[in-house]
Amino acid sequence: EIVLTQSPGTLSLSPGERATLSCRASQSVSSSYLAWYQQKPGQAPRLLIYGASSRATGSPDRFSGSGSGTDFTLTITRLEPEDFAVYYCQQYGNSPDTFGQGTKLEI
Amino acid sequence: QLQLHESGPGLVKPSETLSLTCTVSGGSISSSSYYWGWIRQPPGKGLEWIGHIYYSGRTYYKPSLKSRVTISVDTSKNQFSLKLRSVTAADTAVYYCARVSKYYYDTSGYLDYWGQGTLVTVSS
Repeated sequence: EIVLTQSPGTLSLSPGERATLSCRASQSVSSSYLAWYQQKPGQAPRLLIYGASSRATGSPDRFSGSGSGTDFTLTITRLEPEDFAVYYCQQYGNSPDTFGQGTKLEI
Repeated sequence: QLQLHESGPGLVKPSETLSLTCTVSGGSISSSSYYWGWIRQPPGKGLEWIGHIYYSGRTYYKPSLKSRVTISVDTSKNQFSLKLRSVTAADTAVYYCARVSKYYYDTSGYLDYWGQGTLVTVSS
């Protein structure tokens, strides 16, 4: 099973700043099948990025994904107040699907 | 707009079977482009993929749960279901159903629509 390690565990930033979240896989993720989700308290996760770099429908263009192989990044330019949440990466290229442990983005 | 809604008991006794149903509205569960999956999240913790199913009945399960899990589909009702047997306190979690978008013959995909989740507590 592929283990996804997200860093940092917590990221403290201010609105308007740039956030860079990392997701590292224990082995290469097939076809760059990696997704990013945002979760706010009491809510279901929301898809932001799939295929490592494709933005989901409705995902603001300040969110972008990059990477391949074992190293992936979610970048949020110009943080908005509503962006403060927990972010998870998921790989779906190698069975079983696995999630990272999450990065909490806080003010 | 596609919507998914989980339903089932919020409390299950240890050693019994957890049963949940996900009702899909605004779209057909019989589409060839999607699987339909279950994910859970223990209180205060991260997400765990449980498994997913194709409308034909083909299933994929997390290996560590495979001996206790059954996911089934009822296309006539546009529903799919989860059964988890022999539950313990470690199975206490919010359970989400979700649509899994896939490419062609891929065995998995990304989760683009989610239900709101339902908390299931395992306790006597």
